[in-house]
Amino acid sequence: SQKIEQNSEALNIQEGKTATLTCNYTNYSPAYLQWYRQDPGRGPVFLLLIRENEKEKRKERLKVTFDTTLKQSLFHITASQPADSATYLCALVEGNKLVFGAGTILRVKS
Amino acid sequence: NAGVMQNPRHLVRRRGQEARLRCSPMKGHSHVYWYRQLPEEGLKFMVYLQKENIIDESGMPKERFSAEFPKEGPSILRIQQVVRGDSAAYFCASSLATGATNEKLFFGSGTQLSVL
Repeated sequence: SQKIEQNSEALNIQEGKTATLTCNYTNYSPAYLQWYRQDPGRGPVFLLLIRENEKEKRKERLKVTFDTTLKQSLFHITASQPADSATYLCALVEGNKLVFGAGTILRVKS
Repeated sequence: NAGVMQNPRHLVRRRGQEARLRCSPMKGHSHVYWYRQLPEEGLKFMVYLQKENIIDESGMPKERFSAEFPKEGPSILRIQQVVRGDSAAYFCASSLATGATNEKLFFGSGTQLSVL
C-alpha cells in the first residue's frame, strides 16, 4: 500500500542550527512533492514544490531535496529561529488529490 | 484579497444533530478540497469538488457525509446525525484552475467540530 512517512518524534534544535526533516514514501511515483507548514489551530501553508527532475530547490533559508531513487525528500531550514517552530508536512499527488504525511514537529529553542 | 474563509471556526453539536461547515475559496479559485485532521494525525483527504461537480469523493464516508459546491455561494460539508467520532478539525483548501497535480493548495483556518 502507499505510504508517506515523516519523523514521528519531534525535532528539538538550538537556534542558529540547521534543521533537517525527512519524508520517505513507498509505492508512489510522484511527479511533484510539496512541503507545508502548519501552526497550532491553523491550516497548512504552502512552502515549496519540487519536481521529480529537480534535485534541489531553495527559497531563502529553506532547501528541499528530492531523490526519486531513494524515494525520499529532505527539508532543511538553515539558521533556524524560534519562529520556525511548527509542524512541517510533506505531500504527494495521488490522482486528483494531495496526500499528506502526518508531519514532523520542529521546536527551535533560543 | 481574502484567503480561504471557513466558518464557523468552532462548532459544537450533540450526538444525532447535523453539522454544516462552510468554505469560501480564494477569489478566482474553482477547485475545493476538504480534509479532516484528528489530534496527532495527518490531514486525511475527504472530497474534491469543482463548481457544481464532485470530482473525487474517495475519502468521504459512505453514510452521513455529503459535500456540495454550488454555482453560487460557498462549498458546504454536511454531516448528518453526528457521532463523537466525527469530532475533528475540518480544513478546506482551494486551488487555482488546474487541480492539485501541480498546484499548491491554499487552506482555510479550519472548523473545529466537537460532538458532545
